[in-house]
Amino acid sequence: AQRVTQPEKLLSVFKGAPVELKCNYSYSGSPELFWYVQYSRQRLQLLLRHISRESIKGFTADLNKGETSFHLKKPFAQEEDSAMYYCALRAGNNRKLIWGLGTSLAVNP
Amino acid sequence: KAGVTQTPRYLIKTRGQQVTLSCSPISGHRSVSWYQQTPGQGLQFLFEYFSETQRNKGNFPGRFSGRQFSNSRSEMNVSTLELGDSALYLCASSPDGNSPLHFGNGTRLTVT
Repeated sequence: AQRVTQPEKLLSVFKGAPVELKCNYSYSGSPELFWYVQYSRQRLQLLLRHISRESIKGFTADLNKGETSFHLKKPFAQEEDSAMYYCALRAGNNRKLIWGLGTSLAVNP
Repeated sequence: KAGVTQTPRYLIKTRGQQVTLSCSPISGHRSVSWYQQTPGQGLQFLFEYFSETQRNKGNFPGRFSGRQFSNSRSEMNVSTLELGDSALYLCASSPDGNSPLHFGNGTRLTVT
């Protein structure tokens, strides 16, 4: 069965520290992976997708098929990065997304 | 462009009742998906509609149903409500279902 695991419910770092939000998935085919973010009092929105291979707000994520991971990284966290982050998987031609339970990132001053 | 609009924002119902939630997608978006979000289960896919046809369905009982109108607006209906149906129901739209999703603010349903 397809599954997305975000092992950390809460991650707390200081401003300027590196941050890595972990995402592991189980799927035997070629996945499409996404990171969505929800800032306080805002709606859920796309942060980045692996096929774009771009950096958004200083965040990057690399798909590692060997380790079945898609960890989200930022070298220097900012207070405005504090939010809930969700990793999601789209498997094959099935358009539905399978979601992790999310990681709440708190960046402290 | 206006974002995805969900109405109502909050609903309180009692067990056994039924409820209808509404979603207006971004103009030009033909795909509408529905998700249930709870603290324990996270986001779970309910169904997706495209051009008035249900294209994909999650693992929810038949009490959960939906439809899409010719203007792409979608409704979701839950009949015979149970306490466990209490959740945030999110609607998301995209041009074709393959592009990234644009979410609404959700409808918070409380079943007492």
